[in-house]
Amino acid sequence: AQRVTQPEKLLSVFKGAPVELKCNYSYSGSPELFWYVQYSRQRLQLLLRHISRESIKGFTADLNKGETSFHLKKPFAQEEDSAMYYCALSGGYGGSQGNLIFGKGTKLSVKP
Amino acid sequence: NAGVTQTPKFRILKIGQSMTLQCAQDMNHNYMYWYRQDPGMGLKLIYYSVGAGITDKGEVPNGYNVSRSTTEDFPLRLELAAPSQTSVYFCASSYGGGPYEQYFGPGTRLTVT
Repeated sequence: AQRVTQPEKLLSVFKGAPVELKCNYSYSGSPELFWYVQYSRQRLQLLLRHISRESIKGFTADLNKGETSFHLKKPFAQEEDSAMYYCALSGGYGGSQGNLIFGKGTKLSVKP
Repeated sequence: NAGVTQTPKFRILKIGQSMTLQCAQDMNHNYMYWYRQDPGMGLKLIYYSVGAGITDKGEVPNGYNVSRSTTEDFPLRLELAAPSQTSVYFCASSYGGGPYEQYFGPGTRLTVT
C-alpha cells in the first residue's frame, strides 16, 4: 500500500541549530516526492520537490530509494522556519496515480 | 490573481443538514481536488477532477458529491451531514497531475453537531 510516514509530530530546535524532518515512504514504483509547508495563518504551499533538485529557503531534501526516505534538512534553522511540514508522494502523471498522498505532518518549532 | 478561493471559511451544521462548499480558481488549471484534514492527520483526498465534466473518487468519497461544470469551479456537496464529517476542507488546483505543484485554498472549517 502507498504510504507516507513522518515519525515526529513535533520537532523543537534552537535558532542556528541544524534541523532534519524525517519522511519515509512505501511505494512499489518510482514516486515523485514533495515537501509542502504551512506557516501560521497561511495556506499550504509547496516548499520543494525532488524532481527539481533545488534548495528553497535553505532547505534541501534528497531522495534515498534504498532507504525509501526523503528527509528535509537545513543546516541553520531560523525562527521563521517554524511551521507545519508535510511530506507527500505522487505515483506519476496519469489518473489516480498522480494524486498526492500526504504524511501526517511535523510541526517544527524554532526557539530563539 | 486570487488563486484558489473557498467559501465559507467556517460553518456549523446540524446532523442531517446539507451544504455546498464552494471552490474556485483563476489560474486556468485543469486539475482540481478536494481534501479533508482531521486533527493530527494528513490530508486525505475526497474527490478530484482532471477537467470540466470529469470527476473521480479519491480515498474518502463517502458522504460527498462533486460536479465540475466549468474549469474554474469545483463545488463539494455534503448530503445528510454527520459528526464524522467534522473536519477542515481544502480545495486545490494544479496544471496537471503527478509532479505539478498543487495550489491550495485557505480551507473551510466545518463542524457537524
